[in-house]
Amino acid sequence: EADIYQTPRYLVIGTGKKITLECSQTMGHDKMYWYQQDPGMELHLIHYSYGVNSTEKGDLSSESTVSRIRTEHFPLTLESARPSHTSQYLCASSEPFGAQRFFGPGTRLTVL
Amino acid sequence: QKEVEQDPGPLSVPEGAIVSLNCTYSNSAFQYFMWYRQYSRKGPELLMYTYSSGNKEDGRFTAQVDKSSKYISLFIRDSQPSDSATYLCALGHEGRRALTFGSGTRLQVQP
Repeated sequence: EADIYQTPRYLVIGTGKKITLECSQTMGHDKMYWYQQDPGMELHLIHYSYGVNSTEKGDLSSESTVSRIRTEHFPLTLESARPSHTSQYLCASSEPFGAQRFFGPGTRLTVL
Repeated sequence: QKEVEQDPGPLSVPEGAIVSLNCTYSNSAFQYFMWYRQYSRKGPELLMYTYSSGNKEDGRFTAQVDKSSKYISLFIRDSQPSDSATYLCALGHEGRRALTFGSGTRLQVQP
């Protein structure tokens, strides 16, 4: 079944740790996105990719980085986590000419 | 000022009620309009997608777009407790890579 997966679903980690949030999709989509969502707030785009080896920063500045080595995989990395990084991170994908975003279940990150 | 405004709620209604959820926007460039439903601790899922003024119906859900008033609505008929979730509007246009999301309205349908 075509889907989009994120791991871990929940992560509690100490300040200064390096973390990688995983995102994989079996939808065959070229476009992938990372959004950040805080409670009661809008989703904000922090990274997107049009395909392999293509990554760009989104509208909301983020200290995280992303890579796109394989079509189906779009991991997000924080080199040194801080409490200000506490948030929900949502991965999404879309068809080449489609506006609809297909979202994963999200990773809820808490940095102590 | 935000480009998209959405009442955060919470909106509490009894089972069977008709629910009206709304977003207003300021940018006339927006061409397509979506409604997402997000259950607690889950990612958003698309409910409705339209790119023209007027109504679009899908089962108990009706999406309405009024471009002249820059106003979009989602109506839920015969609401069920399983409709309890946060509803997000999302707007986009060809000249922008990112969708612009509303902050979401939390809906609670009481049995």
